[in-house]
Amino acid sequence: DTGVSQDPRHKITKRGQNVTFRCDPISEHNRLYWYRQTLGQGPEFLTYFQNEAQLEKSRLLSDRFSAERPKGSFSTLEIQRTEQGDSAMYLCASSLAGGGGETQYFGPGTRLLVL
Amino acid sequence: AQTVTQSQPEMSVQEAETVTLSCTYDTSESDYYLFWYKQPPSRQMILVIRQEAYKQQNATENRFSVNFQKAAKSFSLKISDSQLGDAAMYFCAYIYSGAGSYQLTFGKGTKLSVIP
Repeated sequence: DTGVSQDPRHKITKRGQNVTFRCDPISEHNRLYWYRQTLGQGPEFLTYFQNEAQLEKSRLLSDRFSAERPKGSFSTLEIQRTEQGDSAMYLCASSLAGGGGETQYFGPGTRLLVL
Repeated sequence: AQTVTQSQPEMSVQEAETVTLSCTYDTSESDYYLFWYKQPPSRQMILVIRQEAYKQQNATENRFSVNFQKAAKSFSLKISDSQLGDAAMYFCAYIYSGAGSYQLTFGKGTKLSVIP
């Protein structure tokens, strides 16, 4: 059973560029989450998918951010016109629907640095 | 809004000793779950222990146990017989178990160092 994987693990970009991250959840998991973690802070929720439907979005997810989960499998998170404040670790997690409170399994994250 | 507070930014413990990490939370809900996650340096976050709020019995996982005080909204983690591999950031997290809410709310974390 492979865990959650994320690609790339590291990304350095210049301000104003677009970046896209990919997350592959645990194969049987139908729920997928994106979080952002800045230095010295705990992860903060960005968005959540059940199968291919995006059901919840945080106010942190500005118009420059878009997430998709086509066919309910892998997910992508795109940031357009990156800003220095976007520099953070972007974490993906997945879970198997079980009535709420089920454990979310995290990937290794993508560390983004915007110069 | 729910909040999770970890008042100890850093802790240290001698190898083989016991350490307790503190966590308090604020919620108006009665049904929820609490978690402790471990994040080793440059490695992914893994679940340490999970507690269901409706269960009075404290959860345990081998050397890890919690002291869950629902009325006080306190959820501390005790690590017994500390090992070098326990060195990591530890995050306390809360999730409401009602329909439509699946986001974890995390504390800021406690950095645990284990001294040989």
